[in-house]
Amino acid sequence: YELTQPLSVSVALGQTATITCGGNNIGSKNVHWYQQKPGQAPVVVIYRDNNRPSGIPERFSGSNSGNTATLTVTRAQAGDESDYYCQVWDSSTVVFGGGTKLTVL
Amino acid sequence: QVQLVQSGAEVKKPGASVRVSCKASGFTFTSHYIHWVRQAPGQGLEWMGMIHPGGAGTTYAQKFQGRVTMTRDTSTSTVHLDMSSLRSEDTAVYYCARVAISDCYTGCWFDPWGQGTLVIVSS
Repeated sequence: YELTQPLSVSVALGQTATITCGGNNIGSKNVHWYQQKPGQAPVVVIYRDNNRPSGIPERFSGSNSGNTATLTVTRAQAGDESDYYCQVWDSSTVVFGGGTKLTVL
Repeated sequence: QVQLVQSGAEVKKPGASVRVSCKASGFTFTSHYIHWVRQAPGQGLEWMGMIHPGGAGTTYAQKFQGRVTMTRDTSTSTVHLDMSSLRSEDTAVYYCARVAISDCYTGCWFDPWGQGTLVIVSS
């Protein structure tokens, strides 16, 4: 099972960024999203498609339908500049997307 | 607080073996699957496998079967990743990560992650 993410996404400061994660019928799976800053371990920002852990700003949201899951970052801030990875389970194995570098201009 | 603390960086020669350790605290060690994920320099995340510290059951990614062994020591709340026949392509940061929900075998997410252990394989 493969997950496809764009290599990079750019967003102007204060605007909305959308990061996609494509996979065959991904809408039938639970999708989790991680944020990774340089030199740091990943941190979950969205779990089970659209749930935010405590401490994650409301500006982060997720959706999942059909063949595409989406992570949306509204009112983007400089601190949101990171790599983002989607993750699913497939047949008792874990699959990560290739990652998307979000640049805030 | 829930925490995973990993062992320090390693430098190994090709063909050697390495052990990376991950010490858990702040939660019931035997109730949460622990996974291992690696990240080569400038690359994405690659799942290696998982262990249930309670029953010691393991599942390995097909790519690593036969070369990786995951074990646990309940007396010290530590899981170990042993990797043999190292090659230069194994140079990476190795992370352990806890499944957020107790006894969740599939479908759940990772929270938290260890700080990562750099393994360099070089002659």
